[in-house]
Amino acid sequence: GQNIDQPTEMTATEGAIVQINCTYQTSGFNGLFWYQQHAGEAPTFLSYNVLDGLEEKGRFSSFLSRSKGYSYLLLKELQMKDSASYLCAVRDNHRDDKIIFGKGTRLHILP
Amino acid sequence: DTEVTQTPKHLVMGMTNKKSLKCEQHMGHRAMYWYKQKAKKPPELMFVYSYEKLSINESVPSRFSPECPNSSLLNLHLHALQPEDSALYLCASSQEHRWGTTTDTQYFGPGTRLTVL
Repeated sequence: GQNIDQPTEMTATEGAIVQINCTYQTSGFNGLFWYQQHAGEAPTFLSYNVLDGLEEKGRFSSFLSRSKGYSYLLLKELQMKDSASYLCAVRDNHRDDKIIFGKGTRLHILP
Repeated sequence: DTEVTQTPKHLVMGMTNKKSLKCEQHMGHRAMYWYKQKAKKPPELMFVYSYEKLSINESVPSRFSPECPNSSLLNLHLHALQPEDSALYLCASSQEHRWGTTTDTQYFGPGTRLTVL
């Protein structure tokens, strides 16, 4: 079956570092996405991993291990505006290349 | 320009009304999508259009009727909705629906917040 797991909520302090984990079990795999979504707004693309390893983009980095079905999103130098939901999503090439979303992790940043 | 636009931003309708949601992109993308998102839940795929043809219908009730008049426009016609259909309706587009190893992703519009009374 399809399963994408990530923690429901996390709290971190402004200026700190936080890691949001995602594990997946899907029929097929053709890439993993991380999206940021502020309350009431559309998801915005953060990162894409299809090969194992770390992709870095400014304050955000994303890691993938295909053998372990595992990814994480690392956010550094946290800012208050990073308070949002972070969605892990997998593109399943055994299911018409649909993007399957996890339930999202709500990240709260404390001053 | 990586913008997907949606109108209206908010819509309140009765169960007997007929209304339409509109989505537009000018990025030359050939795939467009409708998602439904309830509060604190992830987006759920409803429809996929690829090259203006309906490619995927995720067993959506017939009271939701998609239409793709051309490669830039996507509509969602609503008729006889139920209160449980109240949600954020998101449109997205991507270069293609079926990818190889491209890093292209879906770009989402701001959504239409629908309330059915």
